[in-house]
Amino acid sequence: EAGVAQSPRYKIIEKRQSVAFWCNPISGHATLYWYQQILGQGPKLLIQFQNNGVVDDSQLPKDRFSAERLKGVDSTLKIQPAKLEDSAVYLCASSLETRTNEKLFFGSGTQLSVL
Amino acid sequence: GESVGLHLPTLSVQEGDNSIINCAYSNSASDYFIWYKQESGKGPQFIIDIRSNMDKRQGQRVTVLLNKTVKHLSLQIAATQPGDSAVYFCAENLGGGNKLTFGTGTQLKVEL
Repeated sequence: EAGVAQSPRYKIIEKRQSVAFWCNPISGHATLYWYQQILGQGPKLLIQFQNNGVVDDSQLPKDRFSAERLKGVDSTLKIQPAKLEDSAVYLCASSLETRTNEKLFFGSGTQLSVL
Repeated sequence: GESVGLHLPTLSVQEGDNSIINCAYSNSASDYFIWYKQESGKGPQFIIDIRSNMDKRQGQRVTVLLNKTVKHLSLQIAATQPGDSAVYFCAENLGGGNKLTFGTGTQLKVEL
């Protein structure tokens, strides 16, 4: 079974530039999550989708971050404009459903460096 | 070897010894807890989970203990191997919908 695919693997940009990350979840998984993991910390949920609808985006900095999952499969996360504090690994995860105790499967992440 | 909450983020153990990684969670209403393993350059990988109506659950070489009275979770790894070297995170579900909150993590180093 193919896992969660993410690209690019690494990205280096200057502050105030824009950047986009792509995620392809495990086939058949209805729920997709974007997490931000700052060095030395645990992942923090940014946004959660159920199919193409947003379940929770309460921790997404909406002035600069946006995410979409238009067809309920792939998803993109965008930052515009980027700040130095956005340097982190952006992890995508998926699960079969949204209910409690559904296992989350994570991709390897995109490591973003903002200079 | 044994870690104590967030004050000892690195745990070093000898190969073959048992490891105990501790975690203090924040919300007494949390009903589901998970341990994840994260190797360098990879995403977190599910190890074992436990629901709040249980106090112990065993897997292959791993055991999770839950003490709701003091909001404490531990992960025990038996006969620790070099491949167990990684950062271990506990996560809690604060209220359904599979919305997980992760702890800071503990680095486990296995010495040969």
